[in-house]
This record gives sequence, C-alpha cells and structure tokens, in this order.
Amino acid sequence: QLQLQESGPGLVKTSETLSLTCTVSGGSISSSSYYWGWIRQPPGKGLEWIANTYYSGSTYYNPSLKSRVTISADTLKDHFSLNLSSVTAADTAVYYCANYDRQRLVFDSWGQGTLVTVSS
Amino acid sequence: QSVLTQPPSASGTPGQRVSISCSGSSSNIGTNTVNWYQQLPGTAPKLLIYSNNQRPSGVPDRFSGSKSGTSASLAISGLQSEDEADYYCAAWDDSLHGPVFGGGTKVTVL
Repeated sequence: QLQLQESGPGLVKTSETLSLTCTVSGGSISSSSYYWGWIRQPPGKGLEWIANTYYSGSTYYNPSLKSRVTISADTLKDHFSLNLSSVTAADTAVYYCANYDRQRLVFDSWGQGTLVTVSS
Repeated sequence: QSVLTQPPSASGTPGQRVSISCSGSSSNIGTNTVNWYQQLPGTAPKLLIYSNNQRPSGVPDRFSGSKSGTSASLAISGLQSEDEADYYCAAWDDSLHGPVFGGGTKVTVL
C-alpha cells in the first residue's frame, strides 16, 4: 500500500517561493502506473489540482497556476517536489500530494496534507 | 469557481437515501469517467467511486455512482451518521489536460 508524506515549511512570506516535498513509501516513484501530483485546498474551500509529474520527467500543470509552478520527481530518493513562486495570501491552503492512477484516472492514495500559510 | 458544479449541501435522516449531482461539460464528464471522493472532517480526501460506478475495496455498497451525458450523481442509501462529510466529484478534462474537481457537497445527517 502506497504511503505519501508531505514536508516543508508551514509559513511562507508574501512574494517568496513555497517549496514542498512528498516522500513515497510502499512503492516506487518509477512505476509506470502512476503520475505523481499536488492538490491544494484553501481553508473552507474545495480542491484544486496544481500539477502532475511522471517518472520520465514529463510535467502537467493547471493552466491557472502554470506560470508560477514547477514540479519535479527524484527517482533515486523516491520523492517529488513542488515549487510555487511569488506567493500571496490566496495561496494559503492545505497542500496534498497524491498518486494519480493513469488507467483509472483517479488520485488513489493521498498524503495527510500540510497547511501552508502565506503572510507578510 | 469550480469546473464541475455540485450543490453546496445535502442532508437526510439516518436510513434515508441522499443523492448528489455533478454537472460538467463535453470536455470532462461528457468524454471521461467520473470519480467521487469523500473527505471526513480534518482528513485527506479518500477515493469513494471511480470509473463512474466502481467502488474500491472496502467502500460499502451503500455508495453508488452513475453518469449520463455531461452529468453524474452519487447516491448514499441507508444514510449513517459516519457518512457526514464533504463529497467531491472529479473527472479528467481534455481541454485543461488535467483533472478537475467539483466545489464539494457537504452532507449532513440530521
């Protein structure tokens, strides 16, 4: 059973870059079966897909965030990362990492989520 | 504003049947399968239904999904207190080249 765990700072200053890492256990990030993705949820609001990556290095971004987002995978360390630049208070959210099953087109296993607050 | 449209709330008494709708377009629900996630308070979302009407192992058969055209629905029969949660529909969007979510429906057990 795949397990995912987010890590990174819980507080980021306005205009700086938010950086998070998701560590995968119970499986390999080099699996051809999955994309690896980030989803966020502002307090009291719904879910928003941010980006997916594949072990080969392919990346896919939500057009609304594409100009500020970078996602990457490290197959040696079995983790993948998210960078979101020029953050504002609107980027305050719980950030989840998850694996995206390429056949069933679903986010299958999710991390517990990490709250990132953007403040000056 | 979410790409998929859900009612913000639904409610029922224990034992009742509750249904949640999800409306999309030809670029998402119209051409791709629909999934449903359950989010209990303070927890991460959990996959509830995939491929329109399939339940992952461990999901009670009280939960069922269906799809017609550009709309889908989730039904909870025999509503239980532990079903009180937020429910999100989702589908792949061919225009965005990524998954899209509904805004979520909060189910309250009266």
